[in-house]
Amino acid sequence: GENVEQHPSTLSVQEGDSAVIKCTYSDSASNYFPWYKQELGKRPQLIIDIRSNVGEKKDQRIAVTLNKTAKHFSLHITETQPEDSAVYFCAASMGGSASKIIFGSGTRLSIRP
Amino acid sequence: DVKVTQSSRYLVKRTGEKVFLECVQDMDHENMFWYRQDPGLGLRLIYFSYDVKMKEKGDIPEGYSVSREKKERFSLILESASTNQTSMYLCASSLPDSDTEAFFGQGTRLTVV
Repeated sequence: GENVEQHPSTLSVQEGDSAVIKCTYSDSASNYFPWYKQELGKRPQLIIDIRSNVGEKKDQRIAVTLNKTAKHFSLHITETQPEDSAVYFCAASMGGSASKIIFGSGTRLSIRP
Repeated sequence: DVKVTQSSRYLVKRTGEKVFLECVQDMDHENMFWYRQDPGLGLRLIYFSYDVKMKEKGDIPEGYSVSREKKERFSLILESASTNQTSMYLCASSLPDSDTEAFFGQGTRLTVV
């Protein structure tokens, strides 16, 4: 089955700097790659996603890139702010209605003032 | 506004008890999922269901079963609770297409003593 690996497990950056989180997946049939943000004590929520026919997607300060050949995708957060502090999860999903969503192990991002 | 509701926020059960975790969604979603969240391990899929009475095992189904008798309700059952099942349990739902957002419940923190 699909396996998603995520690095790093913890990341601390200075406010205003950029943060990058990387994920790799094992099954080349996966075609949808969402990113979720989980603030302390809250439920995970989707922040951005990318489909396999797209190499990059941007939404204000966050962007996701996908390299299908290498089977890896990354989350980029620019101009980090204190409210970006959270745990971030990448995930992978295949096509079809009966499709599992497999998550990575999470990255705890801390923004230093 | 999508709402996924889990029946309990906190639960304490004794070893050997049969435990039911309930999840209800109000958006007519076909897909429903149960994950457990442990520090450093991310969100691990226990079971998911893509239709009423249909279920598939996730990555860690041992010691768990599920029931989906109605579209809006997905129950996770711990047949005989053990201390290693102490965890945060998250339910999620989504539309049937593989590339759509999953909406999470608020989580149930289960402690088995």
